[in-house]
Amino acid sequence: DGGITQSPKYLFRKEGQNVTLSCEQNLNHDAMYWYRQDPGQGLRLIYYSQIVNDFQKGDIAEGYSVSREKKESFPLTVTSAQKNPTAFYLCASTMDRGGDSNQPQHFGDGTRLSIL
Amino acid sequence: AQSVAQPEDQVNVAEGNPLTVKCTYSVSGNPYLFWYVQYPNRGLQFLLKYITGDNLVKGSYGFEAEFNKSQTSFHLKKPSALVSDSALYFCAVRDSYSSASKIIFGSGTRLSIRP
Repeated sequence: DGGITQSPKYLFRKEGQNVTLSCEQNLNHDAMYWYRQDPGQGLRLIYYSQIVNDFQKGDIAEGYSVSREKKESFPLTVTSAQKNPTAFYLCASTMDRGGDSNQPQHFGDGTRLSIL
Repeated sequence: AQSVAQPEDQVNVAEGNPLTVKCTYSVSGNPYLFWYVQYPNRGLQFLLKYITGDNLVKGSYGFEAEFNKSQTSFHLKKPSALVSDSALYFCAVRDSYSSASKIIFGSGTRLSIRP
C-alpha cells in the first residue's frame, strides 16, 4: 500500500543540537514538501522540492535545511539556529512537478518535535 | 496575493443534524480549492476538490462542498453529521496559474459532533 512514512513520531531536541526528520514516499511522486503546523494556525511551508537534487525555500525556511538525493526521500534538518522548533511537522507529496496541477497533496502522519 | 479564511475556530453540531464549515478565498485568477481533514496526531487527509465544472462537488465520507464564485466561498457540508466526523478541517486554495507549492491553507476549523 503506497504512502508517506515520517519518522520518528516524537522527537526531542536539546539546546544547540541539530535533529533530522525523515520522510519517505513510495508513491513515485515528483514533488515533496515540508510544512510546520502550530496550534490555531494553518500549515506553513518550510521547503519544497519538485525534482531530485533541487529544492526551494518556502515561507519559513530560516533555521531549517533539506536534501533531495533520492526521489523517495526528503529529510528535514532542524538546526540550532531555529530558536522555536516546537511544532508538528508534516511531509507531503504530489504527483507532478508543481506545474499546472490540480492534484491534492498526500500527507504523512507527522513528527512532533519538542525541546528538552 | 492569495488568501483563504476559515472564520470559525470551532463548529458544534448535534449528531444527525446537517453541518457546514465555512471557507472564503481570494486569488488573482481561477481558484483550485481543496478540503482536508485531520484527526489527532495524524496527517491531513484529502476530502474533495474543486477545479472546474459543477459547483457542487462530492467527496469522501459523505461530504460535499459548494463553490460560489460571486461570494468567493467554498463551504463544506454534510447532510447528517456523525460523531466520527469530529476532527480538524482545513480549506486550501491556490491560483490555477501558480505552482502547487503556492497552495495556502486556512487556519482550520474544529468540528465537534455531540451524540
